[in-house]
Amino acid sequence: DTEVTQTPKHLVMGMTNKKSLKCEQHMGHRAMYWYKQKAKKPPELMFVYSYEKLSINESVPSRFSPECPNSSLLNLHLHALQPEDSALYLCASSQESDRVTYGYTFGSGTRLTVV
Amino acid sequence: DAKTTQPNSMESNEEEPVHLPCNHSTISGTDYIHWYRQLPSQGPEYVIHGLTSNVNNRMASLAIAEDRKSSTLILHRATLRDAAVYYCILRNYGGATNKLIFGTGTLLAVQP
Repeated sequence: DTEVTQTPKHLVMGMTNKKSLKCEQHMGHRAMYWYKQKAKKPPELMFVYSYEKLSINESVPSRFSPECPNSSLLNLHLHALQPEDSALYLCASSQESDRVTYGYTFGSGTRLTVV
Repeated sequence: DAKTTQPNSMESNEEEPVHLPCNHSTISGTDYIHWYRQLPSQGPEYVIHGLTSNVNNRMASLAIAEDRKSSTLILHRATLRDAAVYYCILRNYGGATNKLIFGTGTLLAVQP
């Protein structure tokens, strides 16, 4: 299995809703990442998990709450989002977070719309 | 942090070679040069990386200048499926810049 699987593919939520994005990989990767991508812009790093522990938070607002229940799963919990949070949310994984000789494997993303 | 500069867009014809340039004049000795691409409606995809020597894989070739201040991603025979945004990214071993941080990239259009 060489894929990163993200669910759901599309999500529409109201500003008062609570929802979660899920990401799964079975490549034995020990680092996992969340990125946010607005239309026509490059992906922006949000969070880095290394060995199931949060190692980097790129000053992301607290309405985004990541969780790594085990080495294969990564969640992003969403609460009280704003319309400007509408974007494509990408999950990625890699062998280890500081191994620059390995590439990242990305999922296809969750297209989030906040209404 | 070392930065990269890429053209905003390029065009190519199908079945012809494509040379995508990247300038990184402030590169340090421990910066690895990585290339990713993002096809429409998909997540980014790793293409290739190198440090000093030219590199080849099944997707592309990476040519690195002798002074390492620039590099070129080479697609040997462009297909319509190669139309994507191509990102050139520097990653530094052991440093804060080992994170994968995307710049604006080059939008490659491939004409039939």
